[in-house]
Amino acid sequence: DVKVTQSSRYLVKRTGEKVFLECVQDMDHENMFWYRQDPGLGLRLIYFSYDVKMKEKGDIPEGYSVSREKKERFSLILESASTNQTSMYLCATDPTGVGNTIYFGEGSWLTVV
Amino acid sequence: GQQLNQSPQSMFIQEGEDVSMNCTSSSIFNTWLWYKQDPGEGPVLLIALYKAGELTSNGRLTAQFGITRKDSFLNISASIPSDVGIYFCAGSPYSGGGADGLTFGKGTHLIIQP
Repeated sequence: DVKVTQSSRYLVKRTGEKVFLECVQDMDHENMFWYRQDPGLGLRLIYFSYDVKMKEKGDIPEGYSVSREKKERFSLILESASTNQTSMYLCATDPTGVGNTIYFGEGSWLTVV
Repeated sequence: GQQLNQSPQSMFIQEGEDVSMNCTSSSIFNTWLWYKQDPGEGPVLLIALYKAGELTSNGRLTAQFGITRKDSFLNISASIPSDVGIYFCAGSPYSGGGADGLTFGKGTHLIIQP
């Protein structure tokens, strides 16, 4: 079974704080993704990575950065959290290697106050 | 960017009824995926379709890849309370490459009335 683990399920942070969301997969997949999910807006791609130290911007990268120092770990970073970044964040991985099938983690609920 | 139209937005049904939902695209896709999301959880992949005309089942769920490559259907037979949730379709125009190629529908909320 594909297993994608997001380290924090629920976080509450203050405006201006630096926030790290961690995602780990133990299946040696190359492609990893970060999405955010908001009511009425659906799933939107923030960043993805197709290899260690490689990253590509998705549809809404502003206000976010990512880090992939090891193949199994893909981190999403909010340098200075703002209230409009309150959302559900979903990490995903692609076992096919061609980017057309992805499996999601359990999600991280972030509230910025 | 590409758009996926998923319908209906919500469904209110009785336990035991069959359910049908669909997604349509303005462009051709080579992959169609169906996910289910429970409240507070991440989406879980139910069925993946990679070939036009393909019909695939997963228990009481059946999904089809439309022959035009622009649509897909998901059917649930004899619904039970645990089927409640949001069902998403996703499509990819790529048969290989393009890690950012998935487009998602907005979801169908399935609600089962007692």
